[in-house]
Amino acid sequence: NAGVTQTPKFQVLKTGQSMTLQCAQDMNHEYMSWYRQDPGMGLRLIHYSVGAGITDQGEVPNGYNVSRSTTEDFPLRLLSAAPSQTSVYFCASSYTQSTDTQYFGPGTRLTVL
Amino acid sequence: AQSVTQLDSHVSVSEGTPVLLRCNYSSSYSPSLFWYVQHPNKGLQLLLKYTSAATLVKGINGFEAEFKKSETSFHLTKPSAHMSDAAEYFCVVSELITYKYIFGTGTRLKVLA
Repeated sequence: NAGVTQTPKFQVLKTGQSMTLQCAQDMNHEYMSWYRQDPGMGLRLIHYSVGAGITDQGEVPNGYNVSRSTTEDFPLRLLSAAPSQTSVYFCASSYTQSTDTQYFGPGTRLTVL
Repeated sequence: AQSVTQLDSHVSVSEGTPVLLRCNYSSSYSPSLFWYVQHPNKGLQLLLKYTSAATLVKGINGFEAEFKKSETSFHLTKPSAHMSDAAEYFCVVSELITYKYIFGTGTRLKVLA
């Protein structure tokens, strides 16, 4: 199993550009989530999904969209990038719900100029 | 609402001495609690988790944590620090009913030779 994979590993955007961060898992996990990590703030939940076709907002959803058309994939879209979105983004998955152990991807380091 | 507080942002210990990383939580329901470790420029790795079984939880690499409901604490300990333990440690609380995984702000552990 590849586990949780994320692409790209690094990305530089200009203010106002859009992009999609990809996340995929091959463990047949129902629960998937996106976090951003900023210095001194830990990881903050952006959006999560409890199964295909179901998504919900976390702590810091503004400026981000998600969709879950398949069990395997959970892309994160930045519609109009802002410097405040400069961060490291982690995708995670678990079998059924958040009380299970979550498995994290390697992260995407995003810089918005 | 659930929340988690890591009481120390930085901890320094000498190699071979005990490690104590402190975590307090708030939860309206029976929580699940986790400790994760993140080495520099790496993803997150699960150290241990508590899910209402034994209150003393043993994890990988000699770490353990004790769930104390009366004190709402879940402190992480290790009897003897090793240089390879230098990393950032995150305490996490999760409630089944909210489907959210809430991170503390992290404790950076430094191990001195």
